[in-house]
Amino acid sequence: KQEVTQIPAALSVPEGENLVLNCSFTDSAIYNLQWFRQDPGKGLTSLLLIQSSQREQTSGRLNASLDKSSGRSTLYIAASQPGDSATYLCAPGGATNKLIFGTGTLLAVQP
Amino acid sequence: GAVVSQHPSRVICKSGTSVKIECRSLDFQATTMFWYRQFPKQSLMLMATSNEGSKATYEQGVEKDKFLINHASLTLSTLTVTSAHPEDSSFYICSARDPATGYEQYFGPGTRLTVT
Repeated sequence: KQEVTQIPAALSVPEGENLVLNCSFTDSAIYNLQWFRQDPGKGLTSLLLIQSSQREQTSGRLNASLDKSSGRSTLYIAASQPGDSATYLCAPGGATNKLIFGTGTLLAVQP
Repeated sequence: GAVVSQHPSRVICKSGTSVKIECRSLDFQATTMFWYRQFPKQSLMLMATSNEGSKATYEQGVEKDKFLINHASLTLSTLTVTSAHPEDSSFYICSARDPATGYEQYFGPGTRLTVT
């Protein structure tokens, strides 16, 4: 059974800092991994999708890496802004397309 | 990116009544949709996989007779919470997979259900 852990659970940084969010998963037999952000009381916004054959994906200030064999993924956010404040969730996907969600990292970027 | 809508966004119902939540893929056809629930300050828990034209596949511990899922078309899946009780109060979120973009899933904005 896939278990997903995200560290840290919460993070508060001043605006402009670069930061790294960590995700680890127990079953490395994944097809892909998605990173999402969730604003309070809202649905999920997909940030990046990494296929199992890829090592990283970039979108703007976001860069996600995947080390499938060790069961780890990181989300790097460059030059953080107050608008980046949200909960960030990682979710590895298996053969059935099911996503198993991590516990999330609550990010607060202070202006 | 692909857009998924949910209706209603919020619903309050009395205990014992049934509530239907709709999930639509607006600009793509989704053969597979997923239903999740989320308790306050917790992560998303997958409830079931909804496949167009066939029965839904429920996760272990999810009552199929309580949470009825219908996926009658390639753009619409519905979740009906039958005989709702206060413990069913939660945030329900659907997602849809766009085959054109591989396995990326797009999520709806969620439905807040409160059972009084």
